[in-house]
Amino acid sequence: SQTIHQWPATLVQPVGSPLSLECTVEGTSNPNLYWYRQAAGRGLQLLFYSVGIGQISSEVPQNLSASRPQDRQFILSSKKLLLSDSGFYLCAWSVSRAGEAFFGQGTRLTVV
Amino acid sequence: GIQVEQSPPDLILQEGANSTLRCNFSDSVNNLQWFHQNPWGQLINLFYIPSGTKQNGRLSATTVATERYSLLYISSSQTTDSGVYFCAVEGAGNKLTFGGGTRVLVKP
Repeated sequence: SQTIHQWPATLVQPVGSPLSLECTVEGTSNPNLYWYRQAAGRGLQLLFYSVGIGQISSEVPQNLSASRPQDRQFILSSKKLLLSDSGFYLCAWSVSRAGEAFFGQGTRLTVV
Repeated sequence: GIQVEQSPPDLILQEGANSTLRCNFSDSVNNLQWFHQNPWGQLINLFYIPSGTKQNGRLSATTVATERYSLLYISSSQTTDSGVYFCAVEGAGNKLTFGGGTRVLVKP
C-alpha cells in the first residue's frame, strides 16, 4: 500500500534562517506531488505541484521554492525565512490527474 | 480559477443530531473530495466523489456535478466528529482547490 512521510512534525526557526522540509511517498511510482500551506487553522493554499522529476509549478509568488530530485521525493525550501512563512505545511500525492489525493501529517512551522 | 464555497462556516451540534454540510463550486470538476481535519491537523480522506452518492457508516455524500454542488451528511453525530470538514475540487488544472471549511463542534 502507499504511504506518505513528511518530516519534521514541528519546527521552530529564527527569521533569516534556511528551511528544508522533506516529503517522500512509498508504494507508487510517478505520483503527482503537492505542497500546501494552511494559515490560521482554515483554508489550504496550494504552493507548488509537480507531475514529474524536475517539473515544478508554482502557484503563488513567495519566499519559498520546491524541488523534486527523485520520483517520490518532494522538498520545500527557503533561503531566508520570514515571519509570514509560519504555518502548517502539508504534502500530498495523487496517482494521476483527477485521482484521489492523500496527505501527509504536516509540519507546523513557527518562525520567531 | 475555480471557486469553492462551503457552508455553514461553523456548526454546533448536540450529540446524536444529524447535519448537512454543503460545497458549491464554480466550474465543472474532474475530482471532488471531502476531508476531515482532526485536532492534530491531519487530513483524513472521507470521500472521493466527483459524482453520485456514497456512504461510509454514519457519513454519506452526494455530488450533483451538473448543478455544481456536493453535500456531506453526518447522522447521529458523535463528539469524535468534531473538527473541520473540507471540500476540495479539481477542475481543468492539475491541482485541488479547497473550500474554506466548516468547523463542526459536537457537544456531549
